[in-house]
Amino acid sequence: KQEVTQIPAALSVPEGENLVLNCSFTDSAIYNLQWFRQDPGKGLTSLLLIQSSQREQTSGRLNASLDKSSGRSTLYIAASQPGDSATYLCAVYSGNQFYFGTGTSLTVIP
Amino acid sequence: DAGVIQSPRHEVTEMGQEVTLRCKPISGHDYLFWYRQTMMRGLELLIYFNNNVPIDDSGMPEDRFSAKMPNASFSTLKIQPSEPRDSAVYFCANSYGRLNTEAFFGQGTRLTVV
Repeated sequence: KQEVTQIPAALSVPEGENLVLNCSFTDSAIYNLQWFRQDPGKGLTSLLLIQSSQREQTSGRLNASLDKSSGRSTLYIAASQPGDSATYLCAVYSGNQFYFGTGTSLTVIP
Repeated sequence: DAGVIQSPRHEVTEMGQEVTLRCKPISGHDYLFWYRQTMMRGLELLIYFNNNVPIDDSGMPEDRFSAKMPNASFSTLKIQPSEPRDSAVYFCANSYGRLNTEAFFGQGTRLTVV
């Protein structure tokens, strides 16, 4: 069964810093990997989707990379802002379902 | 398209009562998933449908839980009877096809069973 792990569980950084969130998965047979953002009391918002054949995707200040063979993905956030404070979850799609990590809770301090 | 629509947004009920959560999926998205999120266990897949047919319900915790998708535009998750340990946020999500499987989530229903 696919297992997804996210490290760290929580992260606090001062505004303006660049940061990296990590995601690892145990089974490399995935169709894609998706990064989500979840604000308190809200649903999940899709940030980036990387297909299994791709190495990275970029959207604004966000860059996600995928190394399928090693079972790892990173989400890079440049020039962090207080509005980036949220929980970030990664999910891999394999076997017709998504497997989610437990998330990294990010706090950006003004 | 308004995205995935769930109702109600919040539900407070007494133990033993029946609870029905509703989901209106995105038109044309043929996969529908029901998830439960708690602080202790994170996001757990309960059941998913493909073209209105239940494919995998191995995540449904007990017989008290049941889900239906009578047509492509509506799904329900029912808990009967409800228990305090069912308190969680329940999400409905959609995706389309097999390769292009970006997931779209509803806002969730926060269920509290007292």
